[in-house]
Formats: sequence, C-alpha cells, structure tokens
Amino acid sequence: AQTVTQSQPEMSVQEAETVTLSCTYDTSESNYYLFWYKQPPSRQMILVIRQEAYKQQNATENRFSVNFQKAAKSFSLKISDSQLGDTAMYFCAFSRGTGTASKLTFGTGTRLQVTL
Amino acid sequence: DGGITQSPKYLFRKEGQNVTLSCEQNLNHDAMYWYRQDPGQGLRLIYYSQIVNDFQKGDIAEGYSVSREKKESFPLTVTSAQKNPTAFYLCASSIGAASREQFFGPGTRLTVL
Repeated sequence: AQTVTQSQPEMSVQEAETVTLSCTYDTSESNYYLFWYKQPPSRQMILVIRQEAYKQQNATENRFSVNFQKAAKSFSLKISDSQLGDTAMYFCAFSRGTGTASKLTFGTGTRLQVTL
Repeated sequence: DGGITQSPKYLFRKEGQNVTLSCEQNLNHDAMYWYRQDPGQGLRLIYYSQIVNDFQKGDIAEGYSVSREKKESFPLTVTSAQKNPTAFYLCASSIGAASREQFFGPGTRLTVL
C-alpha cells in the first residue's frame, strides 16, 4: 500500500516571498504520478501541479514548481512570489500508473497562510 | 460549462436515517470517485467506479453504498450503519488511465444530529 506524509501541519509566509511545502511518499511501484492539490476556504479542490515519475524534469506551472527526488521519494512544492490568494490547505497525492481508475492517496495536508 | 455538481451543499439528518448525496458530471469521464474528508486526516477513498454498472470499495467503504446506472451520475448513500457519518464529502471524476488527474466537485457537508 502507498502512503503519503506531509510533516508540516501549518506554515506561514509573507506576501511576495517564497515558501516550500514538503511531501514524502512510500511505494514499491515504479510507474506512478504525484500531485499537489489546493483547497481554499471554499473547500473546492483545485489541481496545482502534477509530476509523472518517469520524467526526470521537475514540473513547473507559473509560480508553482516541484522538486521531485525519486530515489529519496520526496516531492516538495515551491511557491514563488506568494500571493494572498495562495492561502489554502495544500494536499500532496499519489496515484499508481497502472489500471483504469486513478485512485488517489492523499497526505494529511499543510495549511498555508500568506500574510501582508 | 463542463464540471461536477454536488447537491446539496449542506445536509442535516437525524441519527439512524439513511441519506443520499448527489454527484453529477458532464465531462464525459468514465471514472468517478467518492472521498470523505475529516479534520486533520486528508481525503480518504470510499468507493470508485470505472464504468457504468460497476464499482469497487475504497479504503473506508463500510456503512456506505453507491450505484452507477448512468455515466454522468454516481450517488452515495450514507446508511445508518456508518458509525460516524458527520464529515465533508467530495465527489471526483477522471478521464481514465491516460490522464490520472481527478477533477473535484464543490463537496457536501453532512451533519448527523
């Protein structure tokens, strides 16, 4: 079974600064996908970024980028130029690369507060 | 606009009553999922369905039931056998193996009194 661990329950960052959220996972699979989801106060889950395990290049989406270390089973999220709208819960998630249904295993989340 | 709808947003029920949560998608996705979210525990998979008339148990299926009679609909029934049903319930869908990406509905907050 896969497990996902987020060791930072809460973090705070000032507007325009950079913050990194940590995520580690455990799996025996060689083919898998990793995701970061954002859940703002509205509670709508929004996909922030995804990474395929077979790709060595780290994924980037505008101000969001990941540091994917496959051997260490680490998948951290870096948010640059933080904005007040980035305030949310952030969840790291794992999906196996095989099978039709992409079942997700989630971490417990990191609550990020962006301050002025 | 394509998306996933869940209704109602808030639901209150008395203990011992069954209740059904609605989930509809017009994304033409094959797979649909139900998750439960509790404070400090992230999301946990209840049931999922890969195609119409087929579904599988997730990690915490006890006390829940589902049906998948139509591609666009995947209702979840919380039965009286569920010992702690008060939670936030999220429905999601995905294209299938090609994408591995799930799209979520806005959720339903169920409170059992």
